[in-house]
Amino acid sequence: EAGVTQFPSHSVIEKGQTVTLRCDPISGHDNLYWYRRVMGKEIKFLLHFVKESKQDESGMPNNRFLAERTGGTYSTLKVQPAELEDSGVYFCASSQDAVRRETQYFGPGTRLLVL
Amino acid sequence: AQSVTQLGSHVSVSEGALVLLRCNYSSSVPPYLFWYVQYPNQGLQLLLKYTSAATLVKGINGFEAEFKKSETSFHLTKPSAHMSDAAEYFCAVIRRDDKIIFGKGTRLHILP
Repeated sequence: EAGVTQFPSHSVIEKGQTVTLRCDPISGHDNLYWYRRVMGKEIKFLLHFVKESKQDESGMPNNRFLAERTGGTYSTLKVQPAELEDSGVYFCASSQDAVRRETQYFGPGTRLLVL
Repeated sequence: AQSVTQLGSHVSVSEGALVLLRCNYSSSVPPYLFWYVQYPNQGLQLLLKYTSAATLVKGINGFEAEFKKSETSFHLTKPSAHMSDAAEYFCAVIRRDDKIIFGKGTRLHILP
């Protein structure tokens, strides 16, 4: 069974540009999460989808970040316009919607560098 | 509020020696605790998970962790370190709203 996949693996953009990150969860997983690790800091929660609905987006830093999950399958996270402080590793995770506090399985991450 | 604290951002052990990575948690409810590992240029991989069943949890690659409520600890151990264990290790607690709270990570270095 394929794990969580993320694309691209790396992205280098200039300040002010737009970047879109993609996450494909494990097939059949209704829950999809985005996390971010800024350099030198902890990995922090951004948001949680249940199917195509945003369950919790309390961790989104500001309105330059837009996440979507059309059709309840893959998700995209768009940063527009990107700022220097957005640099970091963006992780996606998924879990089955069986019980609460279900194990989340993570993807390899997208390493974003904003110059 | 729930949190985890990892003691030591870098730990070095000799190959064949005991690995001990420390994690203390804070939680007002019975916690579900995890250890994840990130190998170089890879994603986060689940090592093991504690969900209030057995206090000694065995994970992959010979790792195990013991939940000690009295010490609010969930330390990760491996009897004999291997070069391939060099990675960054994250202790984490999952909240009831499914948010994972991560520690700052401990980078494990294996000395030949």
